[in-house]
Amino acid sequence: DAGVIQSPRHEVTEMGQEVTLRCKPISGHNSLFWYRQTMMRGLELLIYFNNNVPIDDSGMPEDRFSAKMPNASFSTLKIQPSEPRDSAVYFCASSSQGSYGYTFGSGTRLTVV
Amino acid sequence: AQSVSQHNHHVILSEAASLELGCNYSYGGTVNLFWYVQYPGQHLQLLLKYFSGDPLVKGIKGFEAEFIKSKFSFNLRKPSVQWSDTAEYFCAATRGSQGNLIFGKGTKLSVKP
Repeated sequence: DAGVIQSPRHEVTEMGQEVTLRCKPISGHNSLFWYRQTMMRGLELLIYFNNNVPIDDSGMPEDRFSAKMPNASFSTLKIQPSEPRDSAVYFCASSSQGSYGYTFGSGTRLTVV
Repeated sequence: AQSVSQHNHHVILSEAASLELGCNYSYGGTVNLFWYVQYPGQHLQLLLKYFSGDPLVKGIKGFEAEFIKSKFSFNLRKPSVQWSDTAEYFCAATRGSQGNLIFGKGTKLSVKP
C-alpha cells in the first residue's frame, strides 16, 4: 500500500499565481480530508469529501480556495490567486468507514512570495 | 462548538523521564479519540486511538493513553522518554468513524540527551 500520495512536496510561487495541490487517497478509502498547518493556527480542516461529495467546506478560508474530487482516487485543492498568507503545509488524509483511522500524506509545503 | 484542548505548548524533558501530555475534548455523546505524532519535517503518524472498550489504550513506541469520560480527558503517557521521541504531538477527536477530525494545537516535546 503506497499510502496517501500528495504532490508536489514543495511549491514556491509568486503572489497572484494559481496553485494546484494534488492528492491520491488510499485505494478503498471513501473519505478524503484537506488540512492546512501553520505555526499560528495549527492544523485546520479545510474541507472533506465522503464518496467524492463535499460534506463540509466551512473551513475553506475564502473563495480563492476550491477543492474537487472528480473520482475516488484523486482530489485537488486550488488557490487562485495565491497570497503570501497562504504559505503553509497542506495535508491530505483519507479514511474508510469503520476503520476509525485517518492516514495522512506527506504534505505539500507551499511558499507564496 | 466541538473542540480539543492541549494544555502544554512545549514540554522539555531529559531522557528517561516520564511523560504525560494533557488533552481535553468538548464533545457530547460518543467520541473517538486519537493521538498523532509529527516528527520534524514529516507528516502525522497515528500513535494510538480509542473508540470503545478498555479506556487504557496502548499504542506504538511504548505510548499509552487513558480515556477518562468524567473528565473529558485523553492524556498521553510514556514511562521513559527517549531522545528520538522529540516531536510534536497532536490530540484529535471525532464523532463516529468518519467525519471532521478536530485537532488540538499540539504539544512540542523536546527530549534532552
